[in-house]
Amino acid sequence: GAGVSQTPSNKVTEKGKYVELRCDPISGHTALYWYRQSLGQGPEFLIYFQGTGAADDSGLPNDRFFAVRPEGSVSTLKIQRTERGDSAVYLCASSPRTGNTEAFFGQGTRLTVV
Amino acid sequence: DAKTTQPPSMDCAEGRAANLPCNHSTISGNEYVYWYRQIHSQGPQYIIHGLKNNETNEMASLIITEDRKSSTLILPHATLRDTAVYYCIVRPALNAGNMLTFGGGTRLMVKP
Repeated sequence: GAGVSQTPSNKVTEKGKYVELRCDPISGHTALYWYRQSLGQGPEFLIYFQGTGAADDSGLPNDRFFAVRPEGSVSTLKIQRTERGDSAVYLCASSPRTGNTEAFFGQGTRLTVV
Repeated sequence: DAKTTQPPSMDCAEGRAANLPCNHSTISGNEYVYWYRQIHSQGPQYIIHGLKNNETNEMASLIITEDRKSSTLILPHATLRDTAVYYCIVRPALNAGNMLTFGGGTRLMVKP
């Protein structure tokens, strides 16, 4: 069965450009998470969706970052006016609604802002 | 969430048991101990979790002290493919809404 799929696997963009990162969760998983991982550090939470709504976006660093999940499945993380400090691996994870405490992670998207 | 403290790195000989410690002295009564690992260039992978009893699955064993202030993840027969960063995390369970708070983890190097 398919796991969490993230596209693209790598993205290089110029400073100031807009980027979109996509996450396809495991089918039927209603909870979806975005994390960001800088080199040599553990992943940092960005935002959590339960269904279509963002239940917790407290980890988004500023208003240049936004995420959507319009149909409760695929999610897109959007970054406006990218900065070199946004360079990191962006990880997506999903889990079933309740009763299962394991989160399944994708391989991540490596974003490089030049 | 309670914070955890782990050694930054450890070595282990292939075929031997790897014992990875974690301190979580401020853990609350409703918080579970979780372990994830991250192999190079991959996303984190769930290993095991527990509340206060010792737990075992096909990947590892988790030993939690009686006062719950520390725990040890045991890989009984480490292989080269177990080389990874291992993260110890505490969080309330049974609620998919709670995100994971990762620390720096322990970089385990399994050597031939």
